[in-house]
Amino acid sequence: DVKVTQSSRYLVKRTGEKVFLECVQDMDHENMFWYRQDPGLGLRLIYFSYDVKMKEKGDIPEGYSVSREKKERFSLILESASTNQTSMYLCASSSLDRGIDYGYTFGSGTRLTVV
Amino acid sequence: ELKVEQNPLFLSMQEGKNYTIYCNYSTTSDRLYWYRQDPGKSLESLFVLLSNGAVKQEGRLMASLDTKARLSTLHITAAVHDLSATYFCAVDEYVGNDMRFGAGTRLTVKP
Repeated sequence: DVKVTQSSRYLVKRTGEKVFLECVQDMDHENMFWYRQDPGLGLRLIYFSYDVKMKEKGDIPEGYSVSREKKERFSLILESASTNQTSMYLCASSSLDRGIDYGYTFGSGTRLTVV
Repeated sequence: ELKVEQNPLFLSMQEGKNYTIYCNYSTTSDRLYWYRQDPGKSLESLFVLLSNGAVKQEGRLMASLDTKARLSTLHITAAVHDLSATYFCAVDEYVGNDMRFGAGTRLTVKP
């Protein structure tokens, strides 16, 4: 019954590496989002996408990029990982199903450690 | 910029007691969401409140929305240990737009 899948639960990467976090949803949702979650700061929006090949910056896009080549897949890219990007990364998707708002469906999260 | 503030950030309760978590936000919006997160897990949707005066209840939790005051409350009645979790409120300004989250309230219910 998994609906939003993040490819890795835990990742350890070295400073300067290029990192790809993958997210796939099987609900045919138009909207997809990437957040990072840090203690005491809640969830902060990195990037979001309303459609294939579309992307919008969130509140903290610096050091990140995204790719949405297919509707079901939204990838977050850390161009050159740094230790301050150590965090929990959460992917979410949403849709207005016939005008009904169900809120977001979240993936299980990827805990990234940059050493 | 939309800001969402929750309080308290930490809440320790005895079983059987009642308490309320508050969520204030800075913009006109009539779309407010509550989520629950268990340790090590992702967020689970609890309530979607889409109009002024909306009230929803599920078990021992009841959420309400006052858009004029820009305030939502999550009321806990006769708390039980299973309610221990972190609770987030979130607001989006426009339909289908990106949500902004509060910092979360970590609730611990003790026997």
